[in-house]
Amino acid sequence: AQTVTQSQPEMSVQEAETVTLSCTYDTSENNYYLFWYKQPPSRQMILVIRQEAYKQQNATENRFSVNFQKAAKSFSLKISDSQLGDTAMYFCASAGNMLTFGGGTRLMVKP
Amino acid sequence: GAVVSQHPSWVICKSGTSVKIECRSLDFQATTMFWYRQFPKQSLMLMATSNEGSKATYEQGVEKDKFLINHASLTLSTLTVTSAHPEDSSFYICSALQGASRNTEAFFGQGTRLTVV
Repeated sequence: AQTVTQSQPEMSVQEAETVTLSCTYDTSENNYYLFWYKQPPSRQMILVIRQEAYKQQNATENRFSVNFQKAAKSFSLKISDSQLGDTAMYFCASAGNMLTFGGGTRLMVKP
Repeated sequence: GAVVSQHPSWVICKSGTSVKIECRSLDFQATTMFWYRQFPKQSLMLMATSNEGSKATYEQGVEKDKFLINHASLTLSTLTVTSAHPEDSSFYICSALQGASRNTEAFFGQGTRLTVV
């Protein structure tokens, strides 16, 4: 069984600043992927970034990067130079036999 | 990325009637699709896994006779909420895997807001 935990229900950040969203997971799988999804007010789920568990190098996508600590089963998301359009719900997810989502973090970017 | 289209985006129905929601992969074939339910300000809860040409696999606590899933082709899965009641009102989201690997990226439909009155 997989579990994904996001300990921050809500966060806020000033525009142009950096924010880190936390995620921890537990899985018995040896080969798995980790994802961060964004759900803006439109409620469309959008993939932000993906990390393959067997890769030690942290994934990056423009302003988005992760800090993947496999031994600690931690997978945090860092958003640099926050923009107003980053305001959304962010879900961490683990993919093994199925895609399991964390409870989500509501991020508000303030002007 | 790949496109998954979900229709309708919203629907209002009377209590006791049935509602069908379609999920289509527009530019790829999806052997596996997933149906989620999302309550306000909560995460996505997996309802069932839909496999083309076979019966869906339902998560514990999800009534298979109430939430009928049909995956008749590699590009279409449908969710029918039968004899809908107000407690079935929710946001339903489908997703499809591009590729056979279970770890490939899942693409999501736009979601369907169901309101049962």
